[in-house]
Amino acid sequence: DSGVTQTPKHLITATGQRVTLRCSPRSGDLSVYWYQQSLDQGLQFLIQYYNGEERAKGNILERFSAQQFPDLHSELNLSSLELGDSALYFCASSVGRGGYGYTFGSGTRLTVV
Amino acid sequence: AQTVTQSQPEMSVQEAETVTLSCTYDTSESDYYLFWYKQPPSRQMILVIRQEAYKQQNATENRFSVNFQKAAKSFSLKISDSQLGDAAMYFCAYRANFGNEKLTFGTGTRLTIIP
Repeated sequence: DSGVTQTPKHLITATGQRVTLRCSPRSGDLSVYWYQQSLDQGLQFLIQYYNGEERAKGNILERFSAQQFPDLHSELNLSSLELGDSALYFCASSVGRGGYGYTFGSGTRLTVV
Repeated sequence: AQTVTQSQPEMSVQEAETVTLSCTYDTSESDYYLFWYKQPPSRQMILVIRQEAYKQQNATENRFSVNFQKAAKSFSLKISDSQLGDAAMYFCAYRANFGNEKLTFGTGTRLTIIP
């Protein structure tokens, strides 16, 4: 157990639907990062939050959004889902700026049918 | 933009032997971090080893060590005494010390251990 908790582990949904992925960072970590891992795009950075505020944005689609709550857990919202959104979505956390590496959760496998 | 290249999609090694995975990166920064992550079939991303660019000494963690060549922008991972549990995808990753804190990953190398 890495200390980073992601739920659900698996999610199957239809095109056009909306889903929410949840992440609880390791205790004491203030930064949360979201990554998408797909076969054709590899591991892509989506977005980072630090202590409740958005700090950096990567290749995140407009259909996707995220937030970090006062208790530091984060949610990634994916809407108007397309088949190409099927991927493994990772959350990672770090205590500060991540110089010692990030701790990853076990991921949420999203399948859009 | 920073890029990370892993030119070996697949590697295999006999159990108990040594294997080296290659990684090169491109950056204009002088201060940064490099990482190797392991992703076994369980899909969990596990940090194997990290290197700070301003440290000349190569990092070592038990059977895992790196060969960091800053001028050549090369960061290879050596696994000694390979074990069946080392079978996994290995990703090289880069992070600048200033600015965006994201990790930029390579495409990975799938390592197979032959009993």
